[in-house]
Amino acid sequence: AQTVTQSQPEMSVQEAETVTLSCTYDTSESDYYLFWYKQPPSRQMILVIRQEAYKQQNATENRFSVNFQKAAKSFSLKISDSQLGDAAMYFCAYRSANSNSGYALNFGKGTSLLVTP
Amino acid sequence: DGGITQSPKYLFRKEGQNVTLSCEQNLNHDAMYWYRQDPGQGLRLIYYSQIVNDFQKGDIAEGYSVSREKKESFPLTVTSAQKNPTAFYLCASLARGGAPNEQFFGPGTRLTVL
Repeated sequence: AQTVTQSQPEMSVQEAETVTLSCTYDTSESDYYLFWYKQPPSRQMILVIRQEAYKQQNATENRFSVNFQKAAKSFSLKISDSQLGDAAMYFCAYRSANSNSGYALNFGKGTSLLVTP
Repeated sequence: DGGITQSPKYLFRKEGQNVTLSCEQNLNHDAMYWYRQDPGQGLRLIYYSQIVNDFQKGDIAEGYSVSREKKESFPLTVTSAQKNPTAFYLCASLARGGAPNEQFFGPGTRLTVL
């Protein structure tokens, strides 16, 4: 089974600054998808950004971007111009492109991001 | 509005009782999932279903059961065999797996064993 590791249980950033959340994963597959989900205090899971493994170009969504290093099996999330509303738990997730997995997500344990004024 | 609903939001269970958590979606998605969230553990897969009348065990299926009689519905039963059921439960759905589609999540159910 694929494992996803988030080595930073907690991170803190000042408003308007940039922060990077780390994620590594273990897989023998060549085709897969990677996701970052945000879970605010409401506990609703919200998709932040996604990356297809076969795409070399790093995904970007407004202030959110990723650094995808396929050979290193690394998928970090960079949040620029941090806002108070970015405070949340962030989960990195892996999904196989193989239907045998049911396309279920494998999650890391999460990183709690605190944004200070 | 299309989306996923879960009910109830909070559920209290006495030891030895079975309880059923509801999950309904009107997104016309084929696949549905149940995840369990514990503090510091992330989300772990309990069961999933890719089509009606078919479902598969996830990583932590012991003590749980599901059914998928309708495309829209995927209820989860927490049985008395589940030793530590107190947790936050999330239901999700997926339109099609062979693409980077996102899984949509419901608002969750918080189950507490008294």
